[in-house]
Parts: sequence; C-alpha cells; structure tokens
Amino acid sequence: SAVISQKPSRDICQRGTSLTIQCQVDSQVTMMFWYRQQPGQSLTLIATANQGSEATYESGFVIDKFPISRPNLTFSTLTVSNMSPEDSSIYLCSVLGLAGLNTDTQYFGPGTRLTVL
Amino acid sequence: AQKVTQAQTEISVVEKEDVTLDCVYETRDTTYYLFWYKQPPSGELVFLIRRNSFDEQNEISGRYSWNFQKSTSSFNFTITASQVVDSAVYFCALSRNTGGFKTIFGAGTRLFVKA
Repeated sequence: SAVISQKPSRDICQRGTSLTIQCQVDSQVTMMFWYRQQPGQSLTLIATANQGSEATYESGFVIDKFPISRPNLTFSTLTVSNMSPEDSSIYLCSVLGLAGLNTDTQYFGPGTRLTVL
Repeated sequence: AQKVTQAQTEISVVEKEDVTLDCVYETRDTTYYLFWYKQPPSGELVFLIRRNSFDEQNEISGRYSWNFQKSTSSFNFTITASQVVDSAVYFCALSRNTGGFKTIFGAGTRLFVKA
C-alpha cells in the first residue's frame, strides 16, 4: 500500500523561528492537504496544496504565516513562520486519490509534533 | 452548512465490554461520505471505514461494526469485546466533493479501555 511520510516527526523550536515540514507520498495523488491539531483538539484544515499554483487557505490561515509549496504530485511542504507557543500542535499531511485505495478517502501521514518554547 | 457532532468526549470501559461511539451529522448535500478514523497515542490518523450517502448497509469488520441511518443522520461505531489496544481517540468525519473537496471532522471521542 502507498506510504505517506513526513519529516521531521517532531521538533522543539524557539519562538520567532520558522520550521518547514515535508510530506512525501510514494505515488501520485490528486490532492494534498495540511491540517493542524492543537493539543486535545480536533483537526482543522489549514489549506489545500495545489500543484504548480498557490495553495487555497481556509479562513483564519494566511500564506505569510503558513507558506505551502507543492512542486509535483507526490511532494508538499508546509512552513510555520515566526513561531509562537500557540503554534505548538501536530501538523498532519493528508492526501486524496491514492492509487490502489479508495479514491474518495483521505489518508494521513504520521504527523509532525511541534513544540514552540 | 456541514457539521459533525460527537457528543461523547470521553468513554471509559473495562476490557471485553462492548462500546458504541455516537456520531450525528448535518449536511444539505445529497451526495456525501462519512468516515471513522482512529488516532492512537502515537498521533497517526488511521482510516477505519468510509460510507457514501447512498449506501446505508451496515458493515462489520471483525470486532468493529458501523450503523448508518440517514433518517436520524447518524453513523455510529460499535466495538465488540473491547481490548486495551482499542484505547485511542476516534474521529467521525463528513466529506463532500462538490465545489471542491472538503472534510469536516467531529471533536473526537477519547476511549479508555482498562484491563
């Protein structure tokens, strides 16, 4: 079955710095998404990563804070910029349209656990 | 507007007990998908089941079963003979694929299974 990987798996960062999270899928997918899960909370969609164009952001999330790239159909990055302790969360990459699996089902990467001091 | 309600914040059971996790949804779409995901302490979200809006047939997979009732807009999840390894947060989710793909997650139900 297809594999979704994220790097780093966890990190501890200082406030004011930025962290880039990578999501790699071992097969081409239709759509890629980035979610945030704050401690003890549900998942919140940050944006849909569009291949070759600017990401589509949800209300409350802006490109300056969460720049996203998707250069091809198997890879995307999310940067958390100018971090504050409120950014401490699990960040999850999700994909749609995995070959060999349900095409209308979102599958998730293992997540990146970020702590901002 | 779409909404997913998981009224049970936490459930605690003793091993071998049966437990049902409730999920109620709201949508104006006629075509939609319902999901259950499991999030163990490791943090990864594991897909359990998908149901589309035209398929109300209940499903059983081992100790897991799902009951989808459009009349009450519910998609409940039952674990039979629970085990400690079932301890996790379970999320119900609703997706639509009209005007762009969008998924709404419920707040989640944390299940504790004690030995």
